[in-house]
Amino acid sequence: EAQVTQNPRYLITVTGKKLTVTCSQNMNHEYMSWYRQDPGLGLRQIYYSMNVEVTDKGDVPEGYKVSRKEKRNFPLILESPSPNQTSLYFCASSLWYGGGVSDTQYFGPGTRLTVL
Amino acid sequence: AQSVTQLDSHVSVSEGTPVLLRCNYSSSYSPSLFWYVQHPNKGLQLLLKYTSAATLVKGINGFEAEFKKSETSFHLTKPSAHMSDAAEYFCVVSSNFGNEKLTFGTGTRLTIIP
Repeated sequence: EAQVTQNPRYLITVTGKKLTVTCSQNMNHEYMSWYRQDPGLGLRQIYYSMNVEVTDKGDVPEGYKVSRKEKRNFPLILESPSPNQTSLYFCASSLWYGGGVSDTQYFGPGTRLTVL
Repeated sequence: AQSVTQLDSHVSVSEGTPVLLRCNYSSSYSPSLFWYVQHPNKGLQLLLKYTSAATLVKGINGFEAEFKKSETSFHLTKPSAHMSDAAEYFCVVSSNFGNEKLTFGTGTRLTIIP
């Protein structure tokens, strides 16, 4: 089954304790991205990647890191989480043809993160 | 630069009546435009997309949207609302040159009145 998986689905942590949220897709997609969803703000893109070793900042990258060492995986790293990073996080993937993003995004189920 | 404005944060309609969710966009280049739906406690699913082909786009579950370049709009419509349409809807833009970002609107919550 074609899918995007995220782990963990729920996480409660404390300020400053490094954490990683994993994202994996099995559709051989080039484009992968991370979003955070907050009430009244919609989804905001954190980072995106067009292929292995190619990443770039989205609209809200502060406090986050990513890496793309393999095509299928795109982990999100919070090196020193703070309470303002409490949010619902989504990973997504799609085909990419260059010159913008024109293909359907396939979203993971979401990770609800609480930072105390 | 690109941006999206969803003009209504909340829309309520009666079952069987038309639905209109409004979206205006800004893009430096020819855009791709999308509508995604999120049902309660679920992930996001594509409803429809415009990528410079026909300006009237048909999607799943009877939804459609019309790209109007002169008005920079991409409003979502459905002739007859169903209870299962209750969800949050997001309009999304990507400029087709210059960057690979996706920009989401803040969402419109659609409530269906029985």
